[in-house]
Amino acid sequence: AQSVTQPDIHITVSEGASLELRCNYSYGATPYLFWYVQSPGQGLQLLLKYFSGDTLVQGIKGFEAEFKRSQSSFNLRKPSVHWSDAAEYFCAVGALDYKLSFGAGTTVTVRA
Amino acid sequence: DGGITQSPKYLFRKEGQNVTLSCEQNLNHDAMYWYRQDPGQGLRLIYYSQIVNDFQKGDIAEGYSVSREKKESFPLTVTSAQKNPTAFYLCATSGTGAGAAKNIQYFGAGTRLSVL
Repeated sequence: AQSVTQPDIHITVSEGASLELRCNYSYGATPYLFWYVQSPGQGLQLLLKYFSGDTLVQGIKGFEAEFKRSQSSFNLRKPSVHWSDAAEYFCAVGALDYKLSFGAGTTVTVRA
Repeated sequence: DGGITQSPKYLFRKEGQNVTLSCEQNLNHDAMYWYRQDPGQGLRLIYYSQIVNDFQKGDIAEGYSVSREKKESFPLTVTSAQKNPTAFYLCATSGTGAGAAKNIQYFGAGTRLSVL
């Protein structure tokens, strides 16, 4: 079965600074990989996804992620964060059975 | 307006009571899912259904039940057997069939369940 680890529980970043959130997955074949964002008390919104092909994928809100098979990683990045990026971020891995396994999440705080 | 509607937004359960959370979608998606979210634990799968009149247990199905009588609806009942029901519950949908894009799950706004 697939699994996901998000090593950082909480990250604090200054507005305008860069952000990188780490995600490591475990899966025997090429996985489907996702990043979702959740604002407090809300559902999850898809930021971006990787299925195959180009290992650098672009998403909404200026986010990008890079798939590195050798490191079993799918880290999320943003060059310059805005106060509105404060939220909880979830990495997820999917397989052929259409089920997703989620990491525990990383909470991002943006300071002025 | 297209999307996934979860109701109610807040729900309170008394001891020994069953409560039902509603999830309705008009995306024409085949698959529907229920997740439970607790702080620091991410999302855990309770039940899922890939087609009408069929559903499977997820990782934490004990104390919960579901039905899938219509494509649009996938209600979740939290029974009295669930001893720690306080959590945020999320419903999701996805298409099924050929193509990796069918793996993308879309989420409702959630229902917060508390015990009185």
